[in-house]
Amino acid sequence: AQSVTQPDIHITVSEGASLELRCNYSYGATPYLFWYVQSPGQGLQLLLKYFSGDTLVQGIKGFEAEFKRSQSSFNLRKPSVHWSDAAEYFCAVATTGNQFYFGTGTSLTVIP
Amino acid sequence: SAVISQKPSRDICQRGTSLTIQCQVDSQVTMMFWYRQQPGQSLTLIATANQGSEATYESGFVIDKFPISRPNLTFSTLTVSNMSPEDSSIYLCSVEQGHGYTFGSGTRLTVV
Repeated sequence: AQSVTQPDIHITVSEGASLELRCNYSYGATPYLFWYVQSPGQGLQLLLKYFSGDTLVQGIKGFEAEFKRSQSSFNLRKPSVHWSDAAEYFCAVATTGNQFYFGTGTSLTVIP
Repeated sequence: SAVISQKPSRDICQRGTSLTIQCQVDSQVTMMFWYRQQPGQSLTLIATANQGSEATYESGFVIDKFPISRPNLTFSTLTVSNMSPEDSSIYLCSVEQGHGYTFGSGTRLTVV
């Protein structure tokens, strides 16, 4: 069965430090992969997505993610975190059947 | 990508009453999705709504509790019926366009 795992429930980083949020998926075929961000009281905003091609994907707000098939991973990275990046981050997988699976989310706290 | 207007953004409702949530999309879309996000949880798909046919519900969700309308290609409603405190969640609609998923800003429902 398809699934998405975000092993880190909560991460705290200092402003200006680098960030990596982990995501592992389980899916038999090549998945469509997404990262969404949800700020407090807000809806979901798409950060980036991977369908095919270059395995390093650039997104909005300075985020990037790398698809590693051998590790079934799609980790999200940012070189320098800003206080406004504090939010909940969700990794998601979409299958060819238009089924959409979300991870349980990683809550990011940014300290000054 | 599509722009979704979802309303109400939040509501506080009495136990036993019903609330209808509306989603308006600025372009025609074939499939619309309704999700629930319980406190501290990830998103769970409630149902998929196609215009002109009955919605398809996921395991654990039934039409009597969550009736859905899809009168045209730009609009859908989700009703949360006979509410109990366990229905307190964020409800989001979503559309898919070329494997990109866009979400509404969500409806934060509190049942007292």
